[in-house]
Amino acid sequence: EPEVTQTPSHQVTQMGQEVILRCVPISNHLYFYWYRQILGQKVEFLVSFYNNEISEKSEIFDDQFSVERPDGSNFTLKIRSTKLEDSAMYFCASHLLRDRAYEQYFGPGTRLTVT
Amino acid sequence: KQEVTQIPAALSVPEGENLVLNCSFTDSAIYNLQWFRQDPGKGLTSLLLIQSSQREQTSGRLNASLDKSSGRSTLYIAASQPGDSATYLCATGSGNTGKLIFGQGTTLQVKP
Repeated sequence: EPEVTQTPSHQVTQMGQEVILRCVPISNHLYFYWYRQILGQKVEFLVSFYNNEISEKSEIFDDQFSVERPDGSNFTLKIRSTKLEDSAMYFCASHLLRDRAYEQYFGPGTRLTVT
Repeated sequence: KQEVTQIPAALSVPEGENLVLNCSFTDSAIYNLQWFRQDPGKGLTSLLLIQSSQREQTSGRLNASLDKSSGRSTLYIAASQPGDSATYLCATGSGNTGKLIFGQGTTLQVKP
């Protein structure tokens, strides 16, 4: 069964460093998402991406964040200058958009620890 | 702005019990509602998806219902087992892109 994959599974970085989290969505999916979950808190929507541009973003997704699909298969989330409060589990999801009622498929997540 | 609430926050039951987890949402303009399972420190496993035009979905011992007009969904787990111990999340799909808005989750412990 096709699945969403994410790398790395765990990333440790120092405050102020740039990190790139990588995701490979399911190959025929068209809509891509990033979510995050701070320890003990709700899963929060960050951004959705369709047709090589951001479709929607939350108030969390400020200028420190960016997304791109560099090569038609990978989907990346970049955090330019990490802060302690960026420590969280980051989930990628993808969606076959014929109808927004379709299921989102989630990757296993990348745990980001900022020290 | 959509708000999703799950009650109770935690639940402990003996093995074999049937149980109901509740999810409520404030905006009924949703495309779908998904129930997920999350084990500690792990990712999200999709359990059931109910489209907005549907009333319920079943998978094995799990049954989820949706009442859009009242802004409620329930997840029914029959004959609970210790392996069902996990956090259960509900999420509504809405907005221009079908983004998911999650509840806080119900942490279930099933005791042998």
